Order: sequence, then C-alpha cells, then structure tokens
Amino acid sequence: DIQMTQSPASLSASLEEIVTITCKASQGIDDYLSWYQQKPGKSPQLLIYDATSLADGVPSRFSGSRSGTQYSLKISRPQVDDSGIYYCLQSYSTPLTFGSGTKLEIK
Amino acid sequence: EVQLQQSGPEVGRPGSSVKISCKASGYTFTDYVMNWVKQSPGQGLEWIGWIDPEYGSTDYAEKFKKKATLTADTSSNTAYIQLSSLTSEDTATYFCARNPGMDAWGQGASVTVSS
Repeated sequence: DIQMTQSPASLSASLEEIVTITCKASQGIDDYLSWYQQKPGKSPQLLIYDATSLADGVPSRFSGSRSGTQYSLKISRPQVDDSGIYYCLQSYSTPLTFGSGTKLEIK
Repeated sequence: EVQLQQSGPEVGRPGSSVKISCKASGYTFTDYVMNWVKQSPGQGLEWIGWIDPEYGSTDYAEKFKKKATLTADTSSNTAYIQLSSLTSEDTATYFCARNPGMDAWGQGASVTVSS
C-alpha cells in the first residue's frame, strides 16, 4: 500500500500569510494526487486534482505543486472561511490512501 | 448539477447488518466509478472500496473485504454499501464519492452500532 505522510497535523495562520500543507508519498504516484477541504459536519470538497489542477469553483488562491514524491497545497492570502481540515488522497493505485489530515485555523 | 443523495442515519445492533444507499443524479450513473469512504468519529478518511456501476465490478481495501459489500442498481441510479457483522468499530459516517478525483460527495450517512 502507498503511504501518504501529511504535515503539519495542525497550524494557525493569519490572513496575510501563505499556508503550505505537504503530503509525501511512499513511492511515485504519477501526479494522481488530490486535495480536499472538510468543514465540521460536512462532506469533503475537492480543491485540487492531478496534483496541480484547480477544481471547478475553487478560488485561485489555492494551488498545488509537486517536488519529487512530495506534494504541496498552497493557500495564498487565506480567508477565515478557509479554516477546516485538509486531506490529500493518492489515486495511483488501490487501496486509495488519504493523508492523516491538517487542521487549519485562520485567525 | 451532480448530486449524490445518501440515506438517513442507521442504528444497528452488534452482529447485525445495515445497508446505506447513495442515489445519483445530474449525470450518467454508469459512466463513473463510485467510491465509499469511512470516517470514524473525530478521525480521518478511509477508503473502503469502489464499484463500477456499468459492470458491477468492485475493488475493496483489504480490511473491508469481509465487512462491506458494494452493489449498484442501474435502474434507479443508486449505489449501496452493506456493512455486516456490526461491531462498535463500525460506528462512523460513510460517504459515497464519484470518480474521477472524488469530485462529488454525498452528504454522509451515520451508522451507530449500539445494543
């Protein structure tokens, strides 16, 4: 199984910061990597697919990138509404595996 | 608009089974694989498996092979997950999510195992 090591587990950021969340895959996943945001009591929402493609309706302050087997989600000038838990998902091979999640608080 | 409407909360006794539905609308049901994802209280997301509604073919994570059964009814555009031999470990919210990319999710269905 492919392991996705996500960090940090939690972070707090201000409106002027750039937030970066990373997921490192235990092997190559050929950019089959998605990012999701989940708010309390809600289902996850797709933000980024194929590592760098922005999902429909997602603000351009969200972006995805890759360096080797490490994938990153960046939020530029986050809004208070961006608070929530963020997960990565690899869909290169089954079993699909999620990262452990990052709880983000925007102050 | 793509929508996945899941059935309501379930309460099951230990050792029993429950079946959750996920009714799809706004797209051709047989064109997209459907995933199922588990979220235990206060925990992260866990992939259970997927089903191709057109062919009925399935793939499961190893730990769910004896726990979950995925089916699909193309006449009603509905996917199902049945959870058997319930234990307290099955208390969770279960989501359906469409591939590719899990771009659409159901609202989740809670399962509580209690005697």
